[in-house]
Amino acid sequence: AQSVAQPEDQVNVAEGNPLTVKCTYSVSGNPYLFWYVQYPNRGLQFLLKYITGDNLVKGSYGFEAEFNKSQTSFHLKKPSALVSDSALYFCAVRDSDNYGQNFVFGPGTRLSVLP
Amino acid sequence: SAVISQKPSRDICQRGTSLTIQCQVDSQVTMMFWYRQQPGQSLTLIATANQGSEATYESGFVIDKFPISRPNLTFSTLTVSNMSPEDSSIYLCSVGGDSYLSEGYTFGSGTRLTVV
Repeated sequence: AQSVAQPEDQVNVAEGNPLTVKCTYSVSGNPYLFWYVQYPNRGLQFLLKYITGDNLVKGSYGFEAEFNKSQTSFHLKKPSALVSDSALYFCAVRDSDNYGQNFVFGPGTRLSVLP
Repeated sequence: SAVISQKPSRDICQRGTSLTIQCQVDSQVTMMFWYRQQPGQSLTLIATANQGSEATYESGFVIDKFPISRPNLTFSTLTVSNMSPEDSSIYLCSVGGDSYLSEGYTFGSGTRLTVV
């Protein structure tokens, strides 16, 4: 079975400071990992993904994430947070070795960037 | 990526009634999915909308409660039937291309449903 954990319900950070939103996963095979962001009253928007290759993945709006196989993590990071980054962030995983298996989403982490 | 128009964006409905949510895509897509996001919770897959055949439902969801249509490759509907307050959620349409398993999905803006 595959699963995703986002250990923090809420992350608060001051504008201009670096931010990290944590994600750990569990799959039996090789993971496909995604980050999505949901702004208030909006659908989910794709931020970035890890399929294969470089462990450091760069995505939209200055976000990046690092795939760490030994720690089964895929933490989302940004060097300098903006107030406009305040939103709900979801990590999702899929076991790439299990064809047809759908994505599983984490519970979400609410990021608040304080001015 | 595909552009999705989902309607209505929100609605307040009386218990016992039904609501049909529409999802229109600006291009033909292989896969269409319906998700539910209950208040303060993550996304749960309701079903995969299959073009020209019955939808494939996830555990805990049944066709009588959530009938789905997909008459072509650009359009799908989800009906929430005989609603109760527990059905109050955001319902999201998502689509994927042939490579959706590695490319991920595009999501509609969602329908915020409140049942009173």
